[in-house]
Order: sequence, then C-alpha cells, then structure tokens
Amino acid sequence: KAGVTQTPRYLIKTRGQQVTLSCSPISGHRSVSWYQQTPGQGLQFLFEYFSETQRNKGNFPGRFSGRQFSNSRSEMNVSTLELGDSALYLCASSLRTSGSYNEQFFGPGTRLTVL
Amino acid sequence: GDSVTQMEGPVTLSEEAFLTINCTYTATGYPSLFWYVQYPGEGLQLLLKATKADDKGSNKGFEATYRKETTSFHLEKGSVQVSDSAVYFCALLYSGGGADGLTFGKGTHLIIQP
Repeated sequence: KAGVTQTPRYLIKTRGQQVTLSCSPISGHRSVSWYQQTPGQGLQFLFEYFSETQRNKGNFPGRFSGRQFSNSRSEMNVSTLELGDSALYLCASSLRTSGSYNEQFFGPGTRLTVL
Repeated sequence: GDSVTQMEGPVTLSEEAFLTINCTYTATGYPSLFWYVQYPGEGLQLLLKATKADDKGSNKGFEATYRKETTSFHLEKGSVQVSDSAVYFCALLYSGGGADGLTFGKGTHLIIQP
C-alpha cells in the first residue's frame, strides 16, 4: 500500500506570494491533517479535513487555508507569504473512525522557504 | 491548554548505552500518548503508543509506560545503536471523533556515537 505523498517536496517563494501544497493520503484514509514544523515553534497542528469538511483548526491566521476533494486528496494554501512561514509542512492521513484512536501516518513533508 | 514537555538535547550517547528520554504532559482529559521518530530529511514515523493509564507501548527495543499519576511517558531503550540517531517527539491526542490534532513536545535530538 502506498504511503502518504506530498508535492512538491521543496518550494521557494518570495514574501507576498501565495503557495499551494498538495497531499495524497493512503488509499482508504478519509482524514487529512496538516502540521507546520519550525525550529522555533516545533510541530503545530494547522487543521484537519474529513469528508471534504474542515473538522478542526489550530491557532493559525486566516492566511492558512485548505480544502479536501472527493477522493480525499487535500491541498493547503498560504496567502501573502511572510518570512516566518518558512517551515516543513507535514501532512498526515488516518481512517478516522468515530469512537476510537486512529493512527496518523505522516508524509515526507514539503519544505517551504520564503525569501 | 494541553502541552507536552520533553528534554530537547542534543543527547549524545555511546553505542550500547541505556537511553531514557523524559516526557511529561498536561492535559484536561485522558489522552492517548505517542512517541514519534523523525530521521533526517523524512517525515514522522510512529514508534510506539499507549492509549490508557498503565499501558506499555513497545517497538524495536523501545518502551514507554503511560503513568497517569506522574503524567509521564518516558522513552527507554536498553542498548542503543548508531541507527537510532534521530529526533524523537512525544505527543498526545484525544481519541474519538473530535480529534484536535496531535500536540507535540519540542523534540529530542539523539546522537549515538560508535
């Protein structure tokens, strides 16, 4: 079974631009969560999508948004990029059946550099 | 809010040494606890987990016990190898449908010298 894939793996943008990152979950997984990893703040939860709806959101500004398609693939968008948005963005997928823990499987991440 | 605290390191050990990485948490409910490992240039891999008090998670020689009374989930390994060099993250998650995402510690960079 293929793992979680993220594209692109590396991205360089300049301040003020916008960027879209893509995540394809493991086949059969319907939940996709996004995390930001930086040296200063560590790993922080951005949001989770399930059945094409945002279910939970972390403490990030509205410049960070996402969506999920009917095939469970998800995209994350960051508008008006700031230098502080430079980070490794990780996507994780899970089955998300209600009432029980669902292991999250992580992709390799997209390394975003904002100049 | 919920939080996870772990030693950040780097922690440098010799091969075959005993490893302990401390992890404590603050939570309002009864979360599941995890250790993830991140090798250079890669995403996170689940190392082990425990879903309730007194559970012991184990994998690849690593162990951790969910201690509710001390709110801790310390990671141990009896004899480390060079290949164990990585960053280790302790994390918590509330089970059930309303998951708010994993809450991670800052990560512990482990370096094993031959």
